[in-house]
Amino acid sequence: SQQGEEDPQALSIQEGENATMNCSYKTSINNLQWYRQNSGRGLVHLILIRSNEREKHSGRLRVTLDTSKKSSSLLITASRAADTASYFCATRSFTGGGADGLTFGKGTHLIIQP
Amino acid sequence: DARVTQTPRHKVTEMGQEVTMRCQPILGHNTVFWYRQTMMQGLELLAYFRNRAPLDDSGMPKDRFSAEMPDATLATLKIQPSEPRDSAVYFCASGSPLAGGRTGELFFGEGSRLTVL
Repeated sequence: SQQGEEDPQALSIQEGENATMNCSYKTSINNLQWYRQNSGRGLVHLILIRSNEREKHSGRLRVTLDTSKKSSSLLITASRAADTASYFCATRSFTGGGADGLTFGKGTHLIIQP
Repeated sequence: DARVTQTPRHKVTEMGQEVTMRCQPILGHNTVFWYRQTMMQGLELLAYFRNRAPLDDSGMPKDRFSAEMPDATLATLKIQPSEPRDSAVYFCASGSPLAGGRTGELFFGEGSRLTVL
């Protein structure tokens, strides 16, 4: 079952605009991660934010985390055609049993129009 | 350039046949995950290994799927017998231990696209 749910499912914007994607999750987490997947390829890690962090930056990426609302957002500034991809949030929950596989949402498909 | 290697990249087979997918994790990584991706279900965790020991395979249909790590450089996912509903992209991912023993980011292979006719 999906822990994270991304919103919107699809997003189309013009090159140069900012893109914002949101993720909601259900249970307490250890950390939340964002991944990108280009068509026909594997997932690539973008950024990780821990449960005690509220905001993190990496290049043109900005991630926020609100644990009280169980939500996160990914902002891509000054979008480029190469940013066209699907973006997934993934959560790692606190588990006593030792299993700590990431649980992924279904993703936001981002299209950057040139 | 360290990366996770999966074979085969594409597999077309007939219902009832055995399918074996292989994964070579990044050297030094001690966790290996198998995920299945479909349009309907998204990414589902099938199995998880740490230090070659299976820790969680609750997402895997036990009657036909099996996952093993014969050694630290090879993980396998086997389907026997295969069914059309098994058609999906199967991803292997590996991760390295961080301070405190908890893993962070995962490194994914390019996937094995399976079509069962």
